[in-house]
Amino acid sequence: GEDVEQSLFLSVREGDSSVINCTYTDSSSTYLYWYKQEPGAGLQLLTYIFSNMDMKQDQRLTVLLNKKDKHLSLRIADTQTGDSAIYFCAETTTGGGNKLTFGTGTQLKVEL
Amino acid sequence: EPEVTQTPSHQVTQMGQEVILRCVPISNHLYFYWYRQILGQKVEFLVSFYNNEISEKSEIFDDQFSVERPDGSNFTLKIRSTKLEDSAMYFCASRDSASGTQYFGPGTRLLVL
Repeated sequence: GEDVEQSLFLSVREGDSSVINCTYTDSSSTYLYWYKQEPGAGLQLLTYIFSNMDMKQDQRLTVLLNKKDKHLSLRIADTQTGDSAIYFCAETTTGGGNKLTFGTGTQLKVEL
Repeated sequence: EPEVTQTPSHQVTQMGQEVILRCVPISNHLYFYWYRQILGQKVEFLVSFYNNEISEKSEIFDDQFSVERPDGSNFTLKIRSTKLEDSAMYFCASRDSASGTQYFGPGTRLLVL
C-alpha cells in the first residue's frame, strides 16, 4: 500500500530557512500536499503540487518534487516563530475516492 | 472565505455509547471525507462519500461506523458502540472538484471513557 515518511523533528533559528522532507512510495501519486497543524487545531492547507511539476513557489514557501526519487520537500524562507507547528505531507491519486495518505508529520520548532 | 465546520469541538462519552459527529462541508463541494488522528499518530483515512454513497473506506471503517448526508448541508459520522480505542481527533474534509484539494474542518476531539 501507499506509505509516506517524514523526519519527526526539525529545529531552526528565527530568520533561517527550514527544509522539511518527505518521501512516498506510490508512483501513481498525482497531487502532493503540505498541511500545517498548530497545537490543538485542525489541518490548514499550505500548498500543493501536481506530479508533473518540479517546483512551485508561493511567497515564503517553495515546494520541490523529485518524482524519480519520490521525494518532496517544503522550504520555508525567513522562518518565524509563528511557523512553529507540525507539517504533514500527503499524497493522493486520481480515481476512486481520492483519499489522502498522510506522512508522520514533522514538528518544526523555531527558536529565537 | 468558505470553510468546513464541525460540531461538537469536544465530545466525552462512555464506552458502548453511540456518538454522532457532525460536519458542514463547503457548499459547492461534492466529495466528503472523514479522517481520524489518534494522539501522537498519523492522520488516517476513514471513508469518502460522493453522490450519497460511500466511494471508498479503510479497514478501520468497520460495521460500527456509518456516514450519512441527512440533508443538503450536513455530513455525519456515527459510531454505534464506542470503544476506548475510538478516542481520537476526527476530521471532516470536503473536496474542491476543480483543484482536487481537500479542505479540513477544525476537528472533533472524541474521548471514550
